[in-house]
Amino acid sequence: ETGVTQSPTHLIKTRGQQVTLRCSSQSGHNTVSWYQQALGQGPQFIFQYYREEENGRGNFPPRFSGLQFPNYSSELNVNALELDDSALYLCASRQYRGREWDTEAFFGQGTRLTVV
Amino acid sequence: DAKTTQPPSMDCAEGRAANLPCNHSTISGNEYVYWYRQIHSQGPQYIIHGLKNNETNEMASLIITEDRKSSTLILPHATLRDTAVYYCIVTAAGNKLTFGGGTRVLVKP
Repeated sequence: ETGVTQSPTHLIKTRGQQVTLRCSSQSGHNTVSWYQQALGQGPQFIFQYYREEENGRGNFPPRFSGLQFPNYSSELNVNALELDDSALYLCASRQYRGREWDTEAFFGQGTRLTVV
Repeated sequence: DAKTTQPPSMDCAEGRAANLPCNHSTISGNEYVYWYRQIHSQGPQYIIHGLKNNETNEMASLIITEDRKSSTLILPHATLRDTAVYYCIVTAAGNKLTFGGGTRVLVKP
């Protein structure tokens, strides 16, 4: 157990709908990253949040957006869902200590999103 | 981020050491070598990381060559529960993790 929790664990949505996925970071971790993992592939970086601001983004369209809250929990929002958005969405947390990052990130178990 | 190359798959006998190679010839001076693994349908699990020196923890050992262009993850006594996809990632601390295809390790009885 890493202390990173994600909800829901599974979700089925219809093409064109919007979805919100949630992540609670490990206690004390102030940085949250989101990854998308399609079936049979490695996770792909979506974006990272630190102190409620996005501070890094991968090659994903603007319909993928996020939020980080004062308690460091985070949401991933995806608008206008497409069939190719079907994937395992992973959240990872780590700690930035002012001058340097803790080197390891801890992942949650993911949310399996199916778009039909 | 530097790119890594790993064999797509390997088998290992239960109880024996598993040696997983990784090439990262374009690694920069401030980049660490990380290893994560992913057991089927679970989130990736951190194993170990290193910068220059060899590292050991309760899960594994990491051997980094002197020129830092390659490394080997060693699972000293593989068990069936070590069956997973193992990812070698090279990145600076705090940067995104760029996952490649990894090595699919099957531990056999």
